[in-house]
Amino acid sequence: EAQVTQNPRYLITVTGKKLTVTCSQNMNHEYMSWYRQDPGLGLRQIYYSMNVEVTDKGDVPEGYKVSRKEKRNFPLILESPSPNQTSLYFCASRQGRGTGELFFGEGSRLTVL
Amino acid sequence: AQSVTQLGSHVSVSEGALVLLRCNYSSSVPPYLFWYVQYPNQGLQLLLKYTTGATLVKGINGFEAEFKKSETSFHLTKPSAHMSDAAEYFCAVTPNSGGYQKVTFGIGTKLQVIP
Repeated sequence: EAQVTQNPRYLITVTGKKLTVTCSQNMNHEYMSWYRQDPGLGLRQIYYSMNVEVTDKGDVPEGYKVSRKEKRNFPLILESPSPNQTSLYFCASRQGRGTGELFFGEGSRLTVL
Repeated sequence: AQSVTQLGSHVSVSEGALVLLRCNYSSSVPPYLFWYVQYPNQGLQLLLKYTTGATLVKGINGFEAEFKKSETSFHLTKPSAHMSDAAEYFCAVTPNSGGYQKVTFGIGTKLQVIP
């Protein structure tokens, strides 16, 4: 089954404690992206990757890091989480050009105390 | 730069009534247009998309949308609402051009269906 898998689905952590949210897709997609969803703001892009070892900032990259060492994986790293990073995070992937459908993971709800 | 405006962050309809969710875009060149749906505690999934060709696009679950270039709109409709349609709906655009094609999402419209 074609899918994007995120882990963990739910996490409560404290300020400053490094964490990683993993994302893996099994569709051999070139493009992967991270979004955060906040009430009244819709989805905002954090980082994206056009292919292995190719990443770039989205609209709200501050406080986040990513890496793309393998085509299927695109982890999101919060080196020193802060309360304003409390949000619902989505990983998505698509094959190539912008006409393609984005496939989303089920989301990771992060709370930073 | 492209942008998307969804009018009405919350819409309520009665079961069996027409569903109309509005989306307007701003772009120098008509973009590719999408509607995604998010059911509670789930990720987004594609309802329908317009890239080229026929301007009336049919999607899953009885939804359709019409691309109107003169109005820069891509409104989503369904003739008769069902309880299972209660969800959040996002309009999205991506440039119709070469290079990296960023997807820009609207803020979303939560649809409530009243029995």
